[in-house]
Amino acid sequence: QSALTQPPSASGSPGQSVTISCTGTSGDVGDYNYVSWYQQHPGKAPKLLIYEVTKRPSGVPDRFSGSKSGNTASLTVSGLRAEDEADYYCSSFAGRNSVVFGGGTKVTVL
Amino acid sequence: QVTLRETGPARVTPTQTLTLTCTFSGFSLNTPGMCVSWIRQPPGKALEWLALIDWDGDFYYTTSLKTRLTISKDTSKNQVVLTVTNMDPVDTGTYFCARMSVTGFFDYWGQGTLVTVSS
Repeated sequence: QSALTQPPSASGSPGQSVTISCTGTSGDVGDYNYVSWYQQHPGKAPKLLIYEVTKRPSGVPDRFSGSKSGNTASLTVSGLRAEDEADYYCSSFAGRNSVVFGGGTKVTVL
Repeated sequence: QVTLRETGPARVTPTQTLTLTCTFSGFSLNTPGMCVSWIRQPPGKALEWLALIDWDGDFYYTTSLKTRLTISKDTSKNQVVLTVTNMDPVDTGTYFCARMSVTGFFDYWGQGTLVTVSS
């Protein structure tokens, strides 16, 4: 159960798009379409943004979108806003009823 | 409305056993497909999944901490309890409980409880 790999940081100007990658292995991201993404503001609990690779829970803006290719999943935030500045985490089902998280990406809105 | 809340000691001493309780509402852990997980986050670091218990009472642990973790549920009280034995300063962090789907995503989270391990 090794952590998924995310870039430590990403940035963009308001209105731009930023894409965060999440690389796993054939034992997690590559084997299952069960990747989810979370947004976490300082001192707060994580919030579910994307589940099962591409699905958005009710209330999450369509500016947030997910995709996957092979062992790598991606989260794209379009039309960046100041309130999107936060930490973002991916996670994947990893078989045998286990879950693995990524190391997190800090998104800065310039 | 689904809510979860973690309670437990804010500080434990090294080698002590930590007991955390997750009290939830708005769903039943008897419903097929329902699970509750514990996740922790050391200060300034990433999330780490620890354990889950499902509607059937089956439980699963992260491999690295398997020997130190115990998860249980009291369905009548809508509570899930996590114990962590032999606490160490590296176990310091915020512990979250969250409702989990069978496909591994966490749709509702508690606010978290900070546990500091220090003598």
